[in-house]
Amino acid sequence: DGGITQSPKYLFRKEGQNVTLSCEQNLNHDAMYWYRQDPGQGLRLIYYSQIVNDFQKGDIAEGYSVSREKKESFPLTVTSAQKNPTAFYLCASSRTGAKEKLFFGSGTQLSVL
Amino acid sequence: EDQVTQSPEALRLQEGESSSLNCSYTVSGLRGLFWYRQDPGKGPEFLFTLYSAGEEKEKERLKATLTKKESFLHITAPKPEDSATYLCARGIREKLTFGTGTRLTIIP
Repeated sequence: DGGITQSPKYLFRKEGQNVTLSCEQNLNHDAMYWYRQDPGQGLRLIYYSQIVNDFQKGDIAEGYSVSREKKESFPLTVTSAQKNPTAFYLCASSRTGAKEKLFFGSGTQLSVL
Repeated sequence: EDQVTQSPEALRLQEGESSSLNCSYTVSGLRGLFWYRQDPGKGPEFLFTLYSAGEEKEKERLKATLTKKESFLHITAPKPEDSATYLCARGIREKLTFGTGTRLTIIP
């Protein structure tokens, strides 16, 4: 079955530590996205990539970094510069084209120890 | 910049009791309006895309409609398995703006 796989499901970060969230898709989609979801707030875009080896900042990129070395993979690193990292992180992908819908993974819940 | 507001925040219905969820936005124009369903601890699942005022889409007990400034998600004779948070989003791909969602609970 085609889809998006996020891992791990739960992740704990210590003070000063960088952590990396994995996102893999086998839908052959060109575009991939990272969103952050906090209680009572809409999804907010962190980073997106429309093609391999290229990515752009979203609305809340500070304290995060990404890479896009392969079409299938778009890992997100939450750095120690992100002072409020506790949230539910969602990876998504889509075909290119303005009308294309997003396909989401099952999310990673990140908490601070 | 588009702002998307969903109401109500939460809605409890008896099984079989029909109702509607609202999604209003501030910027008119040719942008997609997307509805997603999200179960607790899961990622959103796509339901509908609407583009033109007057457009309607249906899937099982759900029907989405669109006007120039708002969209409605009508749920007819809901069942407990329809319980979820329903999100709407407005825009185009990386320019999507999401609402905060309506948490729908269907009581058997």
